[in-house]
Amino acid sequence: AQSVAQPEDQVNVAEGNPLTVKCTYSVSGNPYLFWYVQYPNRGLQFLLKYITGDNLVKGSYGFEAEFNKSQTSFHLKKPSALVSDSALYFCAVRDTGGGNKLTFGTGTQLKVEL
Amino acid sequence: GAVVSQHPSRVICKSGTSVKIECRSLDFQATTMFWYRQFPKQSLMLMATSNEGSKATYEQGVEKDKFLINHASLTLSTLTVTSAHPEDSSFYICSARRVGLSDTEAFFGQGTRLTVV
Repeated sequence: AQSVAQPEDQVNVAEGNPLTVKCTYSVSGNPYLFWYVQYPNRGLQFLLKYITGDNLVKGSYGFEAEFNKSQTSFHLKKPSALVSDSALYFCAVRDTGGGNKLTFGTGTQLKVEL
Repeated sequence: GAVVSQHPSRVICKSGTSVKIECRSLDFQATTMFWYRQFPKQSLMLMATSNEGSKATYEQGVEKDKFLINHASLTLSTLTVTSAHPEDSSFYICSARRVGLSDTEAFFGQGTRLTVV
């Protein structure tokens, strides 16, 4: 079975400071990893994905994430946070070994303050 | 980018009635669509996977007779909540994957807020 853990329910950061939203995963095979962002009463917007290749993945809106196989982590980062980045962030994994199912973490609420 | 449109975005219905939610892929064909339910401040719970032209696969604990899913074409899947009750009130989100791309991300609709009164 595949699973995703987002250990922080909420992350607070000051605007202009770097941000990190943590994610660890568990799959039986090789993972496809994704980050999505959700604004209130909206669906999920795709930010970035890791499929293969470079461990550092760059995505939308200046976000990036680093795949670390030994630590089974895929933390989301941004060098300089904006107030408009405040939203709910979900990490998700799909096992390349089979199946279409995306498994989501519980989400991390990011709050960027002035 | 790929666009998934979900309609309606918000619906209020009376207890005992049925509600249909549509999920359309606007600029691509989707062999597989997914239906999720999200409770307040919680993650997305996969309800079912629908494949065009075949029966949906429901996750454990999801009543298939209550949540009817139809994926009649490569661009449209519908979720019908039958005999709705207040406990069915939730945020429902669909997603779709494109035909022919094995590693693609899923694209999500904007969600439907269902309130059963």
